[in-house]
Amino acid sequence: EAQVTQNPRYLITVTGKKLTVTCSQNMNHEYMSWYRQDPGLGLRQIYYSMNVEVTDKGDVPEGYKVSRKEKRNFPLILESPSPNQTSLYFCASSLRGYNQPQHFGDGTRLSIL
Amino acid sequence: KQEVTQIPAALSVPEGENLVLNCSFTDSAIYNLQWFRQDPGKGLTSLLLIQSSQREQTSGRLNASLDKSSGRSTLYIAASQPGDSATYLCAVGPNFNKFYFGSGTKLNVKP
Repeated sequence: EAQVTQNPRYLITVTGKKLTVTCSQNMNHEYMSWYRQDPGLGLRQIYYSMNVEVTDKGDVPEGYKVSRKEKRNFPLILESPSPNQTSLYFCASSLRGYNQPQHFGDGTRLSIL
Repeated sequence: KQEVTQIPAALSVPEGENLVLNCSFTDSAIYNLQWFRQDPGKGLTSLLLIQSSQREQTSGRLNASLDKSSGRSTLYIAASQPGDSATYLCAVGPNFNKFYFGSGTKLNVKP
């Protein structure tokens, strides 16, 4: 089954403790992206990747890191999480980006205390 | 920076009614516009994608239109059903790889 898989689905942690949210897709998609969703603000793009070793900032990249060492994986790293990063996070992928529909994972709910 | 607005934020209709959801954007220089559906506790599901050169796209009971010059798109749902209840989001792609989303319209279709 074609899917985008995120882990964990839920995480409660404390300020400053490094964490990684994994994202994996099995569709051989070149484009992958991370979003955060906050009430009243909609989804905002954090980082995106056009292909292996090619990443770029979205609208709200501060406090986040990404890497794309393999085509299928696009982890989101919070080096020193803070409470304002408490949010619902989504990973998405598409075949090549702007002209194809994006497929989304089920989301990761992060709470930073 | 692109701003995307969806009005109304919530809508409740009786089953069988035809309805229109609205999406407006501030910068008409876009490559595409997508409509998504989001169910509680789930990710987004792509419904329709309209390229900038297109005026509309149809899939089953759904029809999406795009008017770039006025910065507007509508999603028309025909003969609504309770299973259509969800939050509908639109997203515009102003360049190759960046996307801007609206806050969504929460639709409730009453049996």
